[in-house]
Amino acid sequence: NAGVTQTPKFRVLKTGQSMTLLCAQDMNHEYMYWYRQDPGMGLRLIHYSVGEGTTAKGEVPDGYNVSRLKKQNFLLGLESAAPSQTSVYFCASKRDNEQYFGPGTRLTVT
Amino acid sequence: SQKIEQNSEALNIQEGKTATLTCNYTNYSPAYLQWYRQDPGRGPVFLLLIRENEKEKRKERLKVTFDTTLKQSLFHITASQPADSATYLCALGLPGTYKYIFGTGTRLKVLA
Repeated sequence: NAGVTQTPKFRVLKTGQSMTLLCAQDMNHEYMYWYRQDPGMGLRLIHYSVGEGTTAKGEVPDGYNVSRLKKQNFLLGLESAAPSQTSVYFCASKRDNEQYFGPGTRLTVT
Repeated sequence: SQKIEQNSEALNIQEGKTATLTCNYTNYSPAYLQWYRQDPGRGPVFLLLIRENEKEKRKERLKVTFDTTLKQSLFHITASQPADSATYLCALGLPGTYKYIFGTGTRLKVLA
């Protein structure tokens, strides 16, 4: 039981490049979340999903898109990366009111 | 807008003492509040959840209180150990949604 995994662990992008972050969970959870964590800002919700085929906007959705084609996977896309998107990205899945987080992806946009 | 405040300054305490961390919130009445632990370079790990109708919750050396009048939760670690050194986050579920907001966390350092 791997829990929540994230790919990649680290990435450096140039401004304007695109990329997709992958989150996978093997706990059969319906709810999944993408957060970003910046110094002094705490975790901020980007997008979330309440089930396969559904997505919804969180607190800071601009510049990001998501897809949940399969229950176990939640993808976060950056179409045109900007330096302001330099951050650590965490994915989480939820059972009841308990969130299980992945190890994070550290993204730097130059 | 909804807001959660945690003491952003680091808390240093001696091993064996009780650590007390504070989480204050404004502007709404959550049904429950969660506490998470985060170690450097890792994702948060769920510790405890306390509901609005519970005054206190315990788990081993951890104790959480919830005062809906003061809009405050206190998180206590008794008989603290150096291994308890980490950042502790509080989080609230937004009523009527599946969304959560997190505090910025308080970094705890337990000195041997």
